[in-house]
Amino acid sequence: SAVISQKPSRDICQRGTSLTIQCQVDSQVTMMFWYRQQPGQSLTLIATANQGSEATYESGFVIDKFPISRPNLTFSTLTVSNMSPEDSSIYLCSADRIGTDTQYFGPGTRLTVL
Amino acid sequence: GQQLNQSPQSMFIQEGEDVSMNCTSSSIFNTWLWYKQDPGEGPVLLIALYKAGELTSNGRLTAQFGITRKDSFLNISASIPSDVGIYFCAGRRSGGSNYKLTFGKGTLLTVNP
Repeated sequence: SAVISQKPSRDICQRGTSLTIQCQVDSQVTMMFWYRQQPGQSLTLIATANQGSEATYESGFVIDKFPISRPNLTFSTLTVSNMSPEDSSIYLCSADRIGTDTQYFGPGTRLTVL
Repeated sequence: GQQLNQSPQSMFIQEGEDVSMNCTSSSIFNTWLWYKQDPGEGPVLLIALYKAGELTSNGRLTAQFGITRKDSFLNISASIPSDVGIYFCAGRRSGGSNYKLTFGKGTLLTVNP
């Protein structure tokens, strides 16, 4: 398996501010992804983090609101910009372990926006 | 986006009982994954299935990749209180831009001791 860490694990933020979430994987992976999970809901893919290039965003998500970086194979960041209470959610990082078709998830970042 | 049809939505069972949940799709997947999510945690991979008809076990868990490639089920035998959580199925096609996972809505399992 791949061990994925995220930080912060949780945060409470004020409306209008931005938060950057970090994701670190302990082994070689191919693809990295960012998901959002609203309370009581399933997982929604925000974007695929591409190494050294712009992320690929899903419908309904834009780079200005959720800028993503992936400077190397095992590290990525997601920023939630100009936050509003509607952004309160769990944000999850995931990665495909190299050589497999299996995706592993980080522990998530629980964000509350006041 | 597209989601798999996962059922049941929730289950309330007594400790020691067996549990079965399933996911169906109108389209074919090449990989099926089953995850468990505890409150406040990220999903943890339980079982991965890569081949139609494949039956795979992980302790008390057994999962099967449907022969039509449009469905999968997960069984939990002799449930225990720590089985409580939300179980998600996820399917993946392969090739090109089909690397993304499609998730079911989850099955909430409650086990009464």
